[in-house]
Amino acid sequence: GENVEQHPSTLSVQEGDSAVIKCTYSDSASNYFPWYKQELGKRPQLIIDIRSNVGEKKDQRIAVTLNKTAKHFSLHITETQPEDSAVYFCAATTIGSGGSNYKLTFGKGTLLTVNP
Amino acid sequence: SAVISQKPSRDICQRGTSLTIQCQVDSQVTMMFWYRQQPGQSLTLIATANQGSEATYESGFVIDKFPISRPNLTFSTLTVSNMSPEDSSIYLCSVSRTDTQYFGPGTRLTVL
Repeated sequence: GENVEQHPSTLSVQEGDSAVIKCTYSDSASNYFPWYKQELGKRPQLIIDIRSNVGEKKDQRIAVTLNKTAKHFSLHITETQPEDSAVYFCAATTIGSGGSNYKLTFGKGTLLTVNP
Repeated sequence: SAVISQKPSRDICQRGTSLTIQCQVDSQVTMMFWYRQQPGQSLTLIATANQGSEATYESGFVIDKFPISRPNLTFSTLTVSNMSPEDSSIYLCSVSRTDTQYFGPGTRLTVL
């Protein structure tokens, strides 16, 4: 089955700095890679996702890059703000026709702290 | 997106008892999932619940311990049976819609 490794486990940055979280996956069949943000006591919320036919995707201050050959993907947050403080989870799954299971395998999470 | 509700939001239970968690979605979905999130940990898939068929359990999870019902396309229940303190976790249901998974608010279970 799929295995997702996530680093670092904790990350502390100053407000305005950039933050990068990295994940690797093991199953070459995985083709969908979402990132979730979970604030304390709340449900995970999707913040951005990327499919295997795309190398990079941006949404305002958030970007995700994917290297299929190396089986790794990264989350980049620029101009960090205190409200970005949360636990971030990467995940991987297979979607689409032929072998889709939609079962998300999560990384262990990164606790991001943005210091004002 | 999807509007998902769960009941109860939290509960404190005695060991040896069982708790049934309900998950309601605002519109019909084919696939529903149940996850466990132990304190300070990541999310682990317990099972996939499709309407009209038996739930599919992940390695380490069995039907006798976590029976699941999926009576229709908007509702599912997860029962945590014969609970022990090790079952203290947050249990979340999720649904897949246009390839994106959305999570319910979770049920925080404490077993004494």
